[in-house]
Parts: sequence; structure tokens; C-alpha cells
Amino acid sequence: DSGVTQTPKHLITATGQRVTLRCSPRSGDLSVYWYQQSLDQGLQFLIQYYNGEERAKGNILERFSAQQFPDLHSELNLSSLELGDSALYFCASSVGGVNQPQHFGDGTRLSIL
Amino acid sequence: GNSVTQMEGPVTLSEEAFLTINCTYTATGYPSLFWYVQYPGEGLQLLLKATKADDKGSNKGFEATYRKETTSFHLEKGSVQVSDSAVYFCALTNSDTGRRALTFGSGTRLQVQP
Repeated sequence: DSGVTQTPKHLITATGQRVTLRCSPRSGDLSVYWYQQSLDQGLQFLIQYYNGEERAKGNILERFSAQQFPDLHSELNLSSLELGDSALYFCASSVGGVNQPQHFGDGTRLSIL
Repeated sequence: GNSVTQMEGPVTLSEEAFLTINCTYTATGYPSLFWYVQYPGEGLQLLLKATKADDKGSNKGFEATYRKETTSFHLEKGSVQVSDSAVYFCALTNSDTGRRALTFGSGTRLQVQP
């Protein structure tokens, strides 16, 4: 058990819809990262938050947004969903240093029908 | 930019065979290097890490040495078990660019047969 909790585990929805993925980091971790894992793109970094503030952006689409709340949990919002957004979305947390390992949740599998 | 290249899989071995999964990287400065493992239906677990040249990371019988001269971080295990069957990802972070997010390789699937 990594200590990182992601909900829901599975999400099935239709094109054009909006969903919210939730992540609770390990106790004491201030950094939260979101990654997307798909068959064609592999594992890609989307966005990072540190102690409530956006720290870095990766290959995140404009239709996607995220935030980290005062209790340090984070949410990833995906809107105007397309078939290509079907993927496994992982949240990871760390204490924040560049050499510090990131601890991953079990992911949310998003299926767009 | 940063990139990681891993050998294509799947790698199929018999139990107790020797394992090598090759990983090379491109990055400026001195990245930190990691191996993560993903078991079916689960998230990624940190297997081992190395943060400077010539460091050797080790865990659960797996080892990898940070070789700056060859920009490599190959994963090895002397005797694999069926339970080692999983997908292995090589990854890096790079303090030179301030990038704390992981850059991953494409992953290598290992199948160990009894």
C-alpha cells in the first residue's frame, strides 16, 4: 500500500462529458503529480502541485485542469471528453525534493464510450 | 530535453534465469534515475533509485548502477521468480532543469515461466 488513494477506480462515460478524478496524497507529502498512461503515448506527466500551488505543467490539454486543496488532496477535471482520453490516470505524491521518490496510487481507469 | 529509452519487450525468461533490462537516457547535467515496477491492475511501485554517478541502487535482489559515461541505468537480477512478472519502467528527474516530474521510458514487460 503506497498510501496514495485515488477515486474512483473505474469511470465509464460518454464523449462530451466532464469528470473529476480525486487523489489523496500520502500523509506529509506536499507535492502531487498527475500522469496519464495510454497504450499509444505511454506514461506522460500532466501537471504538478506543491502545497496548493501549481508548480509545473507537462502535456496537459486545455480541456483538462487540476487543483490542490488546503488539505492537500487534489482533483483532476477532464471536460469535453473525447474517445482518445480513455486511459489510466495516476496520481503520485512526494515530499517535494527532486531526488525524492514519488509514490503512486492505483490509478483511475477512464473509459469513454 | 530529457528522454529515456528502454529495450523492447516482452522479455520471456525461465525461473532462476538472469535478467537484464537495458535503459539509456538523455538529459543535461546529473539526473536522478529510478526503476519502477507495475504489477497487473496496480499502480507503479518504486523498485530502486540512484541519484549520482556510480551509485548502485538495489532492492529485492534487483540492482542498477548509474553509469554517466554510457548514460545508462540497466536493471539486473541474478535469479528471477514467477512473481517478478510485471512491467518495468526506467525513469528520471532532472534538477538541472528544475523538473521534478518523472520522464518515463516506454516500459518493458517481463514474463517469467515456471
